[in-house]
Amino acid sequence: SQQGEEDPQALSIQEGENATMNCSYKTSINNLQWYRQNSGRGLVHLILIRSNEREKHSGRLRVTLDTSKKSSSLLITASRAADTASYFCATDGPTGNMLTFGGGTRLMVKP
Amino acid sequence: GAGVSQTPSNKVTEKGKYVELRCDPISGHTALYWYRQSLGQGPEFLIYFQGTGAADDSGLPNDRFFAVRPEGSVSTLKIQRTERGDSAVYLCASSPVLSTDTQYFGPGTRLTVL
Repeated sequence: SQQGEEDPQALSIQEGENATMNCSYKTSINNLQWYRQNSGRGLVHLILIRSNEREKHSGRLRVTLDTSKKSSSLLITASRAADTASYFCATDGPTGNMLTFGGGTRLMVKP
Repeated sequence: GAGVSQTPSNKVTEKGKYVELRCDPISGHTALYWYRQSLGQGPEFLIYFQGTGAADDSGLPNDRFFAVRPEGSVSTLKIQRTERGDSAVYLCASSPVLSTDTQYFGPGTRLTVL
């Protein structure tokens, strides 16, 4: 079963615009991560935020976490065509060591 | 260094056949994980190993699925009597220790059951 829901399921923007994706989850967590996937294959880790953190930055990425609302957002600033991919949030599962993924947001950045 | 590798990259089989999917983790990583991703969905956990033992196999959907890691390195996911619903991308990940912090994913094996 999937832990989270992601919103929107699909997003299409122009190059240079910002892209915001949201993730909600159900159980308490120790950390939340965002991954990127190109063409339905390998996942690339983008950023991890721990439950005691509210915001984290990495390059053009900004992640927020609101544990009271059980939600997170990923902001990609100044998007590029190369950012076109699917983005997934993942939490540490209810019993620890496995990742529990959301359904993903498919981002298309038009040049 | 080399990342996680998975073979084959694509596997097409017929309903009822047996398949084996292989994962070579990053050298020295003690933990190994298998996930399955159906079309248009996020990956779902299947099983993970700490060393040679299956620490948690609660995600395996039924007894047609089995995984081994006999020497604590390479792992094989085995599916008996394949069904069309088994069609998916099977992803393997490894980490230095058992943790959700630093799982490194392979490129996956796309299994198609006709």
